[in-house]
Amino acid sequence: SQQGEEDPQALSIQEGENATMNCSYKTSINNLQWYRQNSGRGLVHLILIRSNEREKHSGRLRVTLDTSKKSSSLLITASRAADTASYFCATLYGGGNKLTFGTGTQLKVEL
Amino acid sequence: EAGVTQSPTHLIKTRGQQATLRCSPISGHTSVYWYQQALGLGLQFLLWYDEGEERNRGNFPPRFSGRQFPNYSSELNVNALELEDSALYLCASSLATGTFGYGYTFGSGTRLTVV
Repeated sequence: SQQGEEDPQALSIQEGENATMNCSYKTSINNLQWYRQNSGRGLVHLILIRSNEREKHSGRLRVTLDTSKKSSSLLITASRAADTASYFCATLYGGGNKLTFGTGTQLKVEL
Repeated sequence: EAGVTQSPTHLIKTRGQQATLRCSPISGHTSVYWYQQALGLGLQFLLWYDEGEERNRGNFPPRFSGRQFPNYSSELNVNALELEDSALYLCASSLATGTFGYGYTFGSGTRLTVV
């Protein structure tokens, strides 16, 4: 079963605009991660935020985590056509090291 | 540094046959994970190996099995293939386990088609 759900399922924006994706999850977590997948290829790890962190930045990426609401958001600023991909949140919870992925947001950045 | 490598890239099998998929993790990574990404079903966790042992298993039938070798490479076997096994199979590796975890590094996947 999916631990997380992304919202929206699909997002289409113009190059230069900001893109915001949200992720909700069900149980308490150790950390939450965001991944990008281009056209059915392998996933690329973007950023990891731990349960005791509230915000993290990496280049044009900004991730927030609200453990009280069991939600996270990924903001991509000044988007580019190359950002077109599917974005997944993934959570690590409980014992062990199994990442559980959400349903993904398909982002399309148009020129 | 070489990334996670998977082979073959594409595999076409007939229903009832067996498929073997291979994965080589990043040097120094001891944990290997397998995921299935079928159309419309998202990424489903299959198996996790660490130090040669199966540590966790997803909700898949026993005909999905695998192993991890002493060099930490891994093999996924799918027996008695069914049409619904057609999917992209992704392998990932990470550093050793820990409460805070580490990001996974994924391979490019093996596209399995069962006809």
